[in-house]
Amino acid sequence: GDSVTQMEGPVTLSEEAFLTINCTYTATGYPSLFWYVQYPGEGLQLLLKATKADDKGSNKGFEATYRKETTSFHLEKGSVQVSDSAVYFCALYTGNQFYFGTGTSLTVIP
Amino acid sequence: GAVVSQHPSRVICKSGTSVKIECRSLDFQATTMFWYRQFPKQSLMLMATSNEGSKATYEQGVEKDKFLINHASLTLSTLTVTSAHPEDSSFYICSAGTDMNTEAFFGQGTRLTVV
Repeated sequence: GDSVTQMEGPVTLSEEAFLTINCTYTATGYPSLFWYVQYPGEGLQLLLKATKADDKGSNKGFEATYRKETTSFHLEKGSVQVSDSAVYFCALYTGNQFYFGTGTSLTVIP
Repeated sequence: GAVVSQHPSRVICKSGTSVKIECRSLDFQATTMFWYRQFPKQSLMLMATSNEGSKATYEQGVEKDKFLINHASLTLSTLTVTSAHPEDSSFYICSAGTDMNTEAFFGQGTRLTVV
């Protein structure tokens, strides 16, 4: 069945370091792919999305490319900030439901 | 993007009482709504999926008599936690999907605490 496998955390980085959070998926159709961010005590916020192969989603310096050949949607940011500390969820949406990764906790230290 | 409003954001109730959580799509028609539960430091667990005007489809292990879901219109779905107990304390999140089937939009979540 459809599923998402996300890099385990927690991840701790120094400010201005490069971030990669790996995400791979299994899907029978042509899902849309998403990265969501969740700050403590809050709901999910859409960070970026891609709806078809080779699309690149980007927002606030974060990027992810929908790669069908490797079934991946890795999240990257060139220079993280303390304010990026949060939990990041990779997800796919088939039109019938979302499938979420387990979440990756990121802590950025000054 | 489209806006989904979830209310209340926080609720504290006594054991044995029922609590209703509302999820509204403010600027689009939500053909499908999803209800999730999130335990601390864990991912979202899908509880049920509902389509307007029909009965909700519950995931395995979710008690339909405990978690009543009503999707009476294309803009409103409600989740009622009946006879709440402390173990029902959790973060509940709704999501609304459009007929485009390429995306669904999340509410801000409801923190339920049963005392």
